[in-house]
Amino acid sequence: KAGVTQTPRYLIKTRGQQVTLSCSPISGHRSVSWYQQTPGQGLQFLFEYFSETQRNKGNFPGRFSGRQFSNSRSEMNVSTLELGDSALYLCASSLGTVVQETQYFGPGTRLLVL
Amino acid sequence: GQSLEQPSEVTAVEGAIVQINCTYQTSGFYGLSWYQQHDGGAPTFLSYNALDGLEETGRFSSFLSRSDSYGYLLLQELQMKDSASYFCAVRPTDSWGKLQFGAGTQVVVTP
Repeated sequence: KAGVTQTPRYLIKTRGQQVTLSCSPISGHRSVSWYQQTPGQGLQFLFEYFSETQRNKGNFPGRFSGRQFSNSRSEMNVSTLELGDSALYLCASSLGTVVQETQYFGPGTRLLVL
Repeated sequence: GQSLEQPSEVTAVEGAIVQINCTYQTSGFYGLSWYQQHDGGAPTFLSYNALDGLEETGRFSSFLSRSDSYGYLLLQELQMKDSASYFCAVRPTDSWGKLQFGAGTQVVVTP
């Protein structure tokens, strides 16, 4: 079974631009969670989607948004990029039927904001 | 809320045993998970303790004691490929899709 895939793997943007990242979950998984990983803050939860609905949200500004499609693929968008948004963005998928399920991570998208 | 504390770095030689401790303060969670992440790679699931006690998976074992707010990951017969960061994480109750991570422990294995 194929794992979680993320595109693109690397991205360079400038301040003020916006960016869209994509995540394809493991086949059959309907939950997709997004995380931001930085050296200073570690792994921080952004939001989770299940069946095209946002079920949970972390403490990030409204510039960070996401959506999920009917095939469970998910996108996250960051508008008006700031230097501090430079990070590794990871998505993780799970079945989504019980809270304590194991999450499986994709390889991440490394975003550099100049 | 939750906070999890881990040592920042541990160094050991090949063949040795390493224990990574994770102490936490939390108002409620389902269980304690452990993930491994190599430089530039994705976090990979290693182990999950839903209940108190020891879980063994090959060379890796994980332990949880809710009464002591403490858990650990034990790496046995260390190999060079075990050099990576290891994260403990909890799943807050009634919090869909969210893992709360510790800051991670960098394990350095030397020849």
